[in-house]
This record gives sequence, structure tokens and C-alpha cells, in this order.
Amino acid sequence: AQSVTQLDSHVSVSEGTPVLLRCNYSSSYSPSLFWYVQHPNKGLQLLLKYTSAATLVKGINGFEAEFKKSETSFHLTKPSAHMSDAAEYFCVVSAGGSGGGADGLTFGKGTHLIIQP
Amino acid sequence: GAGVSQSPRYKVAKRGQDVALRCDPISGHVSLFWYQQALGQGPEFLTYFQNEAQLDKSGLPSDRFFAERPEGSVSTLKIQRTQQEDSAVYLCASSLDFRGANEQFFGPGTRLTVL
Repeated sequence: AQSVTQLDSHVSVSEGTPVLLRCNYSSSYSPSLFWYVQHPNKGLQLLLKYTSAATLVKGINGFEAEFKKSETSFHLTKPSAHMSDAAEYFCVVSAGGSGGGADGLTFGKGTHLIIQP
Repeated sequence: GAGVSQSPRYKVAKRGQDVALRCDPISGHVSLFWYQQALGQGPEFLTYFQNEAQLDKSGLPSDRFFAERPEGSVSTLKIQRTQQEDSAVYLCASSLDFRGANEQFFGPGTRLTVL
């Protein structure tokens, strides 16, 4: 069984300041972890993924996330927020894929990122 | 390049009607997934295909929901006798193969409203 908890439903930051979106996971397997972003009326887009290689993962648009097994966390950060970053962000866990069972992703409830001018 | 497409983008149905939602995955992608996203929530897994084989349908909420992918490419999600609680965005995603570490590419979704 696997689950994801996004600790904040809404995060508001000023443009140019750092962004931190928090995520904790639970998984019976060695998980693959993802962050997806969903802009209004647009499809989900992959920001970055962790698949048991480097624990610090760099993604698109200046985002990065650090996998911390001891804390079961995968927090998303960005040094300087831009207005275009305003969107819904989802932390996602996959069991890793045995090919024989449920390989669907388990999504968190999402964090709505608001960027203040 | 061509991504995942879904049709229709919007569907309004009267309670009790049957609906069919179509997904065209990226060409050559082996795995296809359906998710349901209720308003203000994250997507929830419904079902998974590897080529034409439906390997997991554990997320389908009731026997009114049925999905198929007969030729291993296009997939259809059918909902019979729609209920108001079926109102949601239905997302389709495809990935290159079965490995869970692979990126899933999502379509824009079909927003279903049941009156």
C-alpha cells in the first residue's frame, strides 16, 4: 500500500521569494516519486521525478526536490518564485512497477500555490 | 509532437444516461491509465492497461464503469446509468512501458457533468 500527504492545501509567497511545498509519503516498496503541476484548464505536466538515483532531483523551471528516506519526505523547492508558477502541485508516488499489478500513480490532494506580486 | 488526446473535452449528461469517453494515447505507448479527478482533489486511479490487457481495474468505483482497449491503442471509458456523483474530470495517461518509474503523459481530460 502507498500513500502521499501534502502538508499544505494552499501556499502563498511573494514573487521573487523561495517556494517550499511539503510532501510525505508511505510505501511498502522502493518508491518512485514525482511532482506534477496542473495549470488551470491544462493537463498535468511532470516537473521532476526520483527513481533511486541521486537524492537531489532537478526539474524544469528551476524546481528541485530532495528525497529523504529517513524522513519519508520529498519536498519541492524553488529559490525564486515567478508569477507563472501559480498553479496546483501534486506529489505522487508509484510502487515502482512490477508489471503485474497496479502501476497507477497515487496522488496527494494537491497544494495550490499562490504568487503575490 | 502529438500528445495524449481525449474527447470530448466536455460532456453534460442527464442522470441515467450512458456516456463514452475516448482516449488516444501517444503512439507506441504500451501502458494506458484512467484517473478520476473530483473538484478540488487529486486524481484517483481507476484502471490500467498493458497493450490490450486490462491488468488492474481495482479503482473502478462500481460495475457501471467499464473500460476497454481492444487493439492496444485507443481506449474508451464507458459509464452506464450516470449518477451525479460521477461528475468529475476523467484523465487518461500513457507511458512507454509498464515500469512504474516511467513518466506518465496526461491528456487534457474530459469534464463530465451529470445533471
